[in-house]
Amino acid sequence: DAGVTQSPTHLIKTRGQQVTLRCSPKSGHDTVSWYQQALGQGPQFIFQYYEEEERQRGNFPDRFSGHQFPNYSSELNVNALLLGDSALYLCASSWPQGRPYNEQFFGPGTRLTVL
Amino acid sequence: QKEVEQNSGPLSVPEGAIASLNCTYSDRGSQSFFWYRQYSGKSPELIMFIYSNGDKEDGRFTAQLNKASQYVSLLIRDSQPSDSATYLCAVNMGDTGRRALTFGSGTRLQVQP
Repeated sequence: DAGVTQSPTHLIKTRGQQVTLRCSPKSGHDTVSWYQQALGQGPQFIFQYYEEEERQRGNFPDRFSGHQFPNYSSELNVNALLLGDSALYLCASSWPQGRPYNEQFFGPGTRLTVL
Repeated sequence: QKEVEQNSGPLSVPEGAIASLNCTYSDRGSQSFFWYRQYSGKSPELIMFIYSNGDKEDGRFTAQLNKASQYVSLLIRDSQPSDSATYLCAVNMGDTGRRALTFGSGTRLQVQP
């Protein structure tokens, strides 16, 4: 049973550029959440997708956008990159509504460096 | 006020001892509580979750929840050097995975051989 997968593993961009990160959830999961983790901090919630719609959003600007595809995979897009966007970007997946367990499982993350 | 608070550490314990990690949260509506372990440069790994007041044991790990005091803890018995990592406490305001997790900043645990 494959776990949550993310690509790419590492990415280096320059200020002002745009980036797309990808995530595939665990088998059976339909909900994908994205988190940003700065060095020395806990993960911060960006947004969550299920049924191909953004359902919740954290305190992040509109430069951060996403998408969910019919196969439940998801993308995170960041426009007009800033130095402060350098972080580990984590994708987490969880079960559909109504399942007895509500744990979120994380992928390996994408390390984004903005120069 | 931070929503989920943890002592940043480092918490240093000798091999074989009990490590006690603590977490407090501010929202009384919180329903689900999680402990993740994160090794340096890696992603968080779920090790325990608890929904009801009291203790929940899984191998060397025990999670304890006291909703009246808004307090959750993780005990690690017979600590091993491989337990050295940052432990993240996370809180879910609902009872479904379709809610955001709010994390503390983590406690760094060092187990001395």
